[in-house]
Amino acid sequence: DAGVIQSPRHEVTEMGQEVTLRCKPISGHDYLFWYRQTMMRGLELLIYFNNNVPIDDSGMPEDRFSAKMPNASFSTLKIQPSEPRDSAVYFCASSFGLSGGTNYGYTFGSGTRLTVV
Amino acid sequence: DQQVKQNSPSLSVQEGRISILNCDYTNSMFDYFLWYKKYPAEGPTFLISISSIKDKNEDGRFTVFLNKSAKHLSLHIVPSQPGDSAVYFCAARVAGGGNKLTFGTGTQLKVEL
Repeated sequence: DAGVIQSPRHEVTEMGQEVTLRCKPISGHDYLFWYRQTMMRGLELLIYFNNNVPIDDSGMPEDRFSAKMPNASFSTLKIQPSEPRDSAVYFCASSFGLSGGTNYGYTFGSGTRLTVV
Repeated sequence: DQQVKQNSPSLSVQEGRISILNCDYTNSMFDYFLWYKKYPAEGPTFLISISSIKDKNEDGRFTVFLNKSAKHLSLHIVPSQPGDSAVYFCAARVAGGGNKLTFGTGTQLKVEL
């Protein structure tokens, strides 16, 4: 398996523009997570899905952020409009549920470094 | 509210010595704890974990200790190697909380020659 695949790796955009981050989870994993990494807050959970259904989006900072998972192999995180304070590294991760796996560990993608100027 | 805290942003250790990374938590409902390692420009990777019913778990050079009464866990790396230089994240899961993990802010470990 190629692991969790995120695109793009880097994104530079102007304030006010729409940004879409993409994620392909590992086949067979039924959980998908979006995290944001900042120096101040570390890895911050934004939203997670179970079997393509959003379970907890309490970490989504504002209505400008939205996430979808139309099928088991694809998810998007959208920011519209983007602001400079959204600059961070965004990670997607996937995992088996509690009935699978032995350590409840996630597999992370390589992340998307977003810079909003 | 930071439920998982890593109060040392950085740690420097000499090669061959022990590295001790610390993590404190506030939520008594956490029942499973994990450590992840992250290299630059890569995603975090799972390192080692421990259930709340245990106080120690060992895997090669890595040992995690859990002190539930103090709400504290630590990761020991012995001996430390230059390749261990990375950011280490502590994470925790709430019992019955699905597969959601709460992460700390990370500690940058530098192992010097």
